[in-house]
Amino acid sequence: GQQVMQIPQYQHVQEGEDFTTYCNSSTTLSNIQWYKQRPGGHPVFLIQLVKSGEVKKQKRLTFQFGEAKKNSSLHITATQTTDVGTYFCAGPGVVTGGGNKLTFGTGTQLKVEL
Amino acid sequence: DVKVTQSSRYLVKRTGEKVFLECVQDMDHENMFWYRQDPGLGLRLIYFSYDVKMKEKGDIPEGYSVSREKKERFSLILESASTNQTSMYLCASSLYGASSGNTIYFGEGSWLTVV
Repeated sequence: GQQVMQIPQYQHVQEGEDFTTYCNSSTTLSNIQWYKQRPGGHPVFLIQLVKSGEVKKQKRLTFQFGEAKKNSSLHITATQTTDVGTYFCAGPGVVTGGGNKLTFGTGTQLKVEL
Repeated sequence: DVKVTQSSRYLVKRTGEKVFLECVQDMDHENMFWYRQDPGLGLRLIYFSYDVKMKEKGDIPEGYSVSREKKERFSLILESASTNQTSMYLCASSLYGASSGNTIYFGEGSWLTVV
């Protein structure tokens, strides 16, 4: 079945350092979404990418969708303690019946130290 | 704002008990989902529903069933709870399907411990 893997699983950085998480799907995706989950919280939508090679920015966060639409990355410039959390990518999953599902990646847990 | 409400935040149940996790959304969304979250495994889809009384198995449906009698409510049922079902359960909803690029909105999560 479809798999969506993320690396690394964990990342500890010093505040001010950059951070990148990579997402790889075993199948081509029509779109990819990114979510952030703060410690003790629930995942919250960050952004969606649709076009091959698309790059979007949100302040210090840069999201990229690969040319083949099978991989994506999230890059945070100059991390802050507010960036702490787990970042998930997600893409439409393969279903045999009706409806659509969203398959989530394994997540990257980011810790930022002062 | 979309609101997805899960009835219980923390539960402790005994092995063999029948467990109901309830979820309600207030935005008339077509799709509803149940995920479980475990360290290192990310979010894994248990079941989802794209319409009232319609359900589809996700990636890990064994040991679970679901019910969607009304559009706003999606229930997850553990027929006979086991210790390996100790986890955090997340309910979610979206207006349309994932292939349409619809955002998923999550509830706060239900922490279930089976002893």
